[in-house]
Amino acid sequence: GDSVTQTEGQVALSEEDFLTIHCNYSASGYPALFWYVQYPGEGPQFLFRASRDKEKGSSRGFEATYDKGTTSFHLRKASVQESDSAVYYCALRDNNAPRFGAGTKLSVKP
Amino acid sequence: EAAVTQSPRNKVAVTGGKVTLSCNQTNNHNNMYWYRQDTGHGLRLIHYSYGAGSTEKGDIPDGYKASRPSQENFSLILELATPSQTSVYFCASGWDWDYEQYFGPGTRLTVL
Repeated sequence: GDSVTQTEGQVALSEEDFLTIHCNYSASGYPALFWYVQYPGEGPQFLFRASRDKEKGSSRGFEATYDKGTTSFHLRKASVQESDSAVYYCALRDNNAPRFGAGTKLSVKP
Repeated sequence: EAAVTQSPRNKVAVTGGKVTLSCNQTNNHNNMYWYRQDTGHGLRLIHYSYGAGSTEKGDIPDGYKASRPSQENFSLILELATPSQTSVYFCASGWDWDYEQYFGPGTRLTVL
C-alpha cells in the first residue's frame, strides 16, 4: 500500500544552520504530497503541498520540491531559528486515505 | 481560519468502560477524520467521514466506532476501552482528500 518514510527520527541543529528532513514515498501515479508541523501541545498545522512533478511548495521559509524520479519530497530551510523546534510530518494522499510519516523531531539550540 | 475543537482534552478511563471523544468544526468542511498519535508511528487514521451520516474505516478501525450526526460533529466511540488504546487522539477536517486538513488540539486518553 501507499506509504511515507521519514529517514530521521530526530534532528538537532543550532540557529542559522541549514535544515534537511528527508521524505520518500511509495505510491502509484502522482499522489498529493504534504508537509505539516506540530508544536508542543498542539495539533499538526498544514505547511504546504505539491501535486505535480517538479512543483515546489513553500511556506514560512520552508520549501520542498516534488520529485517523481526519486519519489521524494524533502523539507529544507536555509537558516533555522529556535522557534522552528517542532515535529514535522510528511504525508501523502493517493487513491486511498491520507498517509503520514512517523515524524521528525527538530530541536534548534540558540 | 478553520476552527476544530475537541472534548474532553484529557480523559482517564477504566478498562472495559465506554469512552466517547467529541469533535466539532465550524467551517462547513465535508470531510472529517480521527487519528491516533503514538511515538514511532506518527498519525494513523482510525475513521473518517465524507459528510453527515457517513462513516468509513481507516487503517486501524478495530475497537473503535465513529458517528457523524451532522456536518459539524464527528465522534469517536470506544465501546470497551483497553490499555492499548491509551494515546493522543486528533480530529481533523478538510474540504476534500487532496487538500489540507485542519487539526484540533487533541485529546489525551489514558485507559487504566
